[in-house]
Order: sequence, then structure tokens, then C-alpha cells
Amino acid sequence: ETGVTQSPTHLIKTRGQQVTLRCSSQSGHNTVSWYQQALGQGPQFIFQYYREEENGRGNFPPRFSGLQFPNYSSELNVNALELDDSALYLCASSITTGGSYEQYFGPGTRLTVT
Amino acid sequence: AQSVTQLDSHVSVSEGTPVLLRCNYSSSYSPSLFWYVQHPNKGLQLLLKYTSAATLVKGINGFEAEFKKSETSFHLTKPSAHMSDAAEYFCVVPNNNDMRFGAGTRLTVKP
Repeated sequence: ETGVTQSPTHLIKTRGQQVTLRCSSQSGHNTVSWYQQALGQGPQFIFQYYREEENGRGNFPPRFSGLQFPNYSSELNVNALELDDSALYLCASSITTGGSYEQYFGPGTRLTVT
Repeated sequence: AQSVTQLDSHVSVSEGTPVLLRCNYSSSYSPSLFWYVQHPNKGLQLLLKYTSAATLVKGINGFEAEFKKSETSFHLTKPSAHMSDAAEYFCVVPNNNDMRFGAGTRLTVKP
């Protein structure tokens, strides 16, 4: 069974640029969630995708957007990067069934905005 | 909305001594609760989960947690700390489609 993978591992971007982060979900999982973890803080929920549709969103501006593909992999896109976007971005996959909340996390992508 | 509060930002123990990481939850009902661990420069790993079955939950690497509704607590314990336990620990509660994380407790293990 393959776990959750994310790419790239590290990324350096300049303020104002756009970035795309990628996530492959664990085998058999149909739901992907994205989190932002700033240095020294707990992860904050960005949004979740289920069956290629956004299925919940946290308190993040519209310049944070995402996609889920038929194979359940996902992308996180961030436009007009700001310095405060520097963080570890975590992807988590899960199975959306009644009463099941367990999420499995990837190793993350470390984004630095200069 | 569900939320959790981790009562200690940093806990330091000696190798071989017990570990106690404290978490209180806020919920109008008995929620599911999780503990995750994050080693430096690594992703999050599920340690254990409570889903309203047994109140004492056993997890990986010798960790366990007890759900106490009367105290709205879900503290994480381990009888004997190992150097490899040094990491950041997060108490987590589901809130609709997202997982609400506590601020984290950094565990330091001294030789």
C-alpha cells in the first residue's frame, strides 16, 4: 500500500508569483485535505476535496485554490504569493464514510516566499 | 465548533520517566479525538484515536490516552520515555470536514 506523497519537497518563490503543490493520496482513499502549518504552529485547514468537488473550506482567501483529479490526486494552487504564505503545506487523504475521520498525512512541501 | 486546547507548549522529561501531555476538548457531545506526532522535518503520524468505544485507547510506540468526559480531557501518556519520542505532539478533533489541531506540545527527552 502506497502512502500519501507530496511534491516538491521544498520550494522557493518570490512575492507575487504563483505556485502549484501536488499530492497523491493513499491507495483506496477518495478524499484529500490541505493544511498550512506556519512555523511553531499547528496545521490550519485550507480546504477539502471529495469526488473532484470542494467539500469544505477554512479561513483562507480565494487566491488559495485546488483541484482533485479522477485518480483522487490533488493540487493546491496559490496565486499572488505573500511573505506570510511561507509555511509547510500538508496534504492528507482519507475515506469519506459515515463516522470515519481518520486522515493520513504526507511529508509536506516547505514553501519559502522571499 | 469543536476545538482542543493543549495545556503545555513544552514538556521536558528524562529518558525512562513517564510522559504526560495534556489536552482538553470543547464539544457539545462526545467527539472523536486523535493524537498525532510530528518528528522534525517530517509529516504527521497518527498515534491513536478515540471513537466512543473504549475510553482508554492504546496507540503505537507504547502511548495511550484516556477519554474523560467529566473533565473534557484526552491526555496522552507513556510509562517510560525514549529518546526517539522527542517530537511535536498534536491533539486533534474533527470539525465537520476539517481537523482542528491544538497548538502542539514539544516533548524533549533528556538522556
